[in-house]
Amino acid sequence: DVKVTQSSRYLVKRTGEKVFLECVQDMDHENMFWYRQDPGLGLRLIYFSYDVKMKEKGDIPEGYSVSREKKERFSLILESASTNQTSMYLCASSLSGPLTTEQFFGPGTRLTVL
Amino acid sequence: AQKITQTQPGMFVQEKEAVTLDCTYDTSDPSYGLFWYKQPSSGEMIFLIYQGSYDQQNATEGRYSLNFQKARKSANLVISASQLGDSAMYFCAMREVDSWGKLQFGAGTQVVVTP
Repeated sequence: DVKVTQSSRYLVKRTGEKVFLECVQDMDHENMFWYRQDPGLGLRLIYFSYDVKMKEKGDIPEGYSVSREKKERFSLILESASTNQTSMYLCASSLSGPLTTEQFFGPGTRLTVL
Repeated sequence: AQKITQTQPGMFVQEKEAVTLDCTYDTSDPSYGLFWYKQPSSGEMIFLIYQGSYDQQNATEGRYSLNFQKARKSANLVISASQLGDSAMYFCAMREVDSWGKLQFGAGTQVVVTP
């Protein structure tokens, strides 16, 4: 079974702190994604990566950066956390493949910025 | 512009009844894929069913089926014989060609199954 793990289920940080969210997948997937989920907005793509050290902006990259130094690990960084970044963060991974290729999701990290 | 629209924020359905969750999409690509995911209160996203734009038949997976109307750009999910465990948030998503596997998600529909 594909497994995508995220470093924390719940996280509370203060405004201005640097925050790292870690995601690890164990199925040698090329693609990895970070989404944030907010009520009424669904999932919105922050950043994605299609290979080690490669990254592309998604729909809402402002205030975030990412790092992918190893194939299995994709980190989301909030350089200076703000209250409007309080949200659920979901990591996903997938093979590079045809349209049928599904994404596998981690359990999510619920981040609260005070 | 919103590419995936789910117009039902929430629905109640009685156990053993069928429920239809609406999804419309917008794309100019002739080739695309449509996905439905379930998110229980635990938070994890569970893949349910896939429909390709060139698939001749509507997709089915157990109690899940997709009512795909390409000309209307709709891909409604039908859950038959609802169970209490079907209570969850349901998301429709689309993948377009040459998108590096990115998915565009709708806002979701919260389904509550009542005894």
